[in-house]
Amino acid sequence: GAGVSQSPSNKVTEKGKDVELRCDPISGHTALYWYRQSLGQGLEFLIYFQGNSAPDKSGLPSDRFSAERTGGSVSTLTIQRTQQEDSAVYLCASSLVSGQGNQPQHFGDGTRLSIL
Amino acid sequence: AQKVTQAQTEISVVEKEDVTLDCVYETRDTTYYLFWYKQPPSGELVFLIRRNSFDEQNEISGRYSWNFQKSTSSFNFTITASQVVDSAVYFCALSERYSGNTPLVFGKGTRLSVIA
Repeated sequence: GAGVSQSPSNKVTEKGKDVELRCDPISGHTALYWYRQSLGQGLEFLIYFQGNSAPDKSGLPSDRFSAERTGGSVSTLTIQRTQQEDSAVYLCASSLVSGQGNQPQHFGDGTRLSIL
Repeated sequence: AQKVTQAQTEISVVEKEDVTLDCVYETRDTTYYLFWYKQPPSGELVFLIRRNSFDEQNEISGRYSWNFQKSTSSFNFTITASQVVDSAVYFCALSERYSGNTPLVFGKGTRLSVIA
C-alpha cells in the first residue's frame, strides 16, 4: 500500500531480550518519526530523522533505545534488554518536508510490544 | 515548554447530538502549528486538520468544524450530528517552528463514544 508500514504488528518477548521494530515510510517522505503510546502516558515522541541531518534523539527514554534510518528510507527502532515498562504501542510516522511549515505526519498502524 | 491539555478524558453522546472536544495549548513561540488526529478502534492515527498560528479563521469540513482562538490558546473541535462511526480517541497536537518539521506534542486524548 501507499501508507506507512510497520512490522511486526505484535511482538511478545521476555524481559531482558532485545527487540527490533521496523518502519517503512511513505515513498518520498524525508522526515520520519517514532512515537510511543502507552496507558497513562499518552503519545510520546522518541526520535526524529530528517534527510541526512543528525537525528533528534531528545525523546529517547534511556540508552537502551536506539534507532537507525538506512538509505533515507526504512528505519529500525531497537530496544535492548527490554523491561516491562517498555510495553507499549510504538508508532512510526512520516511526512514531507517543505519550506511552508510543519507538514502533516502520517502514521502507521503501530507495533504492539508486550514484555513478559 | 510546549504543552497540550485535553481536559475531557471521555465523552459519551447519543447519535445526532453535536459534541465539542476542547484543546488548550501552551507555547512560548509566536509561530506554531496545531493539529487534530483521530484514532479509531483499529488503532491507526488519522490526520484531520493542520492550522498555523497566523490563521485564526474557523474551518468547516462536512460535519467537522474547528475554532481556533489565540486569545485563549484554544483549538476546539466540533462534530455536528454525531454518528457511531465518529467513536474514537481524538488527539490535539502542537508543533513549534514555522519552517521545517518538528515532532508533535500531543494531548492525552479524548475518547468519544457515540451511542446509537
